[in-house]
Amino acid sequence: AQSVTQLDSHVSVSEGTPVLLRCNYSSSYSPSLFWYVQHPNKGLQLLLKYTSAATLVKGINGFEAEFKKSETSFHLTKPSAHMSDAAEYFCVVSGGGANNLFFGTGTRLTVIP
Amino acid sequence: DVKVTQSSRYLVKRTGEKVFLECVQDMDHENMFWYRQDPGLGLRLIYFSYDVKMKEKGDIPEGYSVSREKKERFSLILESASTNQTSMYLCASCVSGSGPYNEQFFGPGTRLTVL
Repeated sequence: AQSVTQLDSHVSVSEGTPVLLRCNYSSSYSPSLFWYVQHPNKGLQLLLKYTSAATLVKGINGFEAEFKKSETSFHLTKPSAHMSDAAEYFCVVSGGGANNLFFGTGTRLTVIP
Repeated sequence: DVKVTQSSRYLVKRTGEKVFLECVQDMDHENMFWYRQDPGLGLRLIYFSYDVKMKEKGDIPEGYSVSREKKERFSLILESASTNQTSMYLCASCVSGSGPYNEQFFGPGTRLTVL
């Protein structure tokens, strides 16, 4: 069975400081993992995806995530937060097909000026 | 750019009304999805469709139905709206047949309030 746990419902950082959003997954298969971002009153946008080609995945807007199989984690990081990063972030695991995505409950990122 | 559009951004309906939420995608995607998003629960799949006139139940299909008469359009129907269906509804689409790595493309969402 597939599932995702986002360890923090809310993260608050100061502008210019690093961002860490934590995600642990459970999967019966070799997983496909995604991070999506949702800005207020907008749909979800793909930030990055893990496709087994490389464990460190780079996404848009300076975000990256590292797949760690031994820790079953796929944490999202960014070296320096920007005000425009304030949004909700979802970690997602695929259940073996694009038809079968399992979403975490989301982490709301607040960036303090 | 892939574009997924939803007919309304905000909708207010009364209990018992029949509600139609429309979704259109312009990328010739085979698969289309309807989710609802509630605080603290993430996204939950209501229904999806992998072809015209084909549909599959998701995790929470009760109280909903869907229609897919054309490839680009996927409708969500609330036969008799209830207050517990007040939520944000998100439509998504993706290609099929390429394994687990396909991303889903999302519309902007419809915030439905049932009074």
